Amino acid sequence: NAGVMQNPRHLVRRRGQEARLRCSPMKGHSHVYWYRQLPEEGLKFMVYLQKENIIDESGMPKERFSAEFPKEGPSILRIQQVVRGDSAAYFCASSPTTGALNTEAFFGQGTRLTVV
Amino acid sequence: AQTVTQSQPEMSVQEAETVTLSCTYDTSESDYYLFWYKQPPSRQMILVIRQEAYKQQNATENRFSVNFQKAAKSFSLKISDSQLGDAAMYFCAYRSDRRAGTASKLTFGTGTRLQVTL
Repeated sequence: NAGVMQNPRHLVRRRGQEARLRCSPMKGHSHVYWYRQLPEEGLKFMVYLQKENIIDESGMPKERFSAEFPKEGPSILRIQQVVRGDSAAYFCASSPTTGALNTEAFFGQGTRLTVV
Repeated sequence: AQTVTQSQPEMSVQEAETVTLSCTYDTSESDYYLFWYKQPPSRQMILVIRQEAYKQQNATENRFSVNFQKAAKSFSLKISDSQLGDAAMYFCAYRSDRRAGTASKLTFGTGTRLQVTL
């Protein structure tokens, strides 16, 4: 059973371009979380999605950032018109379907976004 | 909102010795989970140990154990017989126990960088 797969591992974008980060959850997992880690900081929650639904986006910046988790295919975190402050590592985590109270999230290896 | 505080930016331990990493948290909830994650240079987030707040017994996983003090809202990690491979960033994290059945987001501390010396 493959783990959470994120791609690309490294992404370089010029200021003003768009960044698209992909996350394929573990097989059987229908919950996806995105976190951002700025240099020398802990991970900060951005958004929580289930298939075709955004459940909690309280950590998402109001502008330029969006996320989706379609019925088919990976979850996508999209950053429009990137700025230098968007440079960070972006982590995806997935967890199984509802029913278990102590479901655990499994993390991908992250995408390091560098804005030049 | 919950907060997690790690007051030790860096710690150092000699190989084979024991080290304790501190974590405190703030919450008004009575049911929750606490975690320690390890992040080596590869950036992979690796779950080290987990504690359910309703359990009084401290969790242990081989050389890793916790000291969970619910009243003090303290959750420290003890690493015994430290090994070179233990060198990494360690993050303490909090998660609500929402009994609707859905897993919820993690709130992380700022991390402690652990160095292991010969």
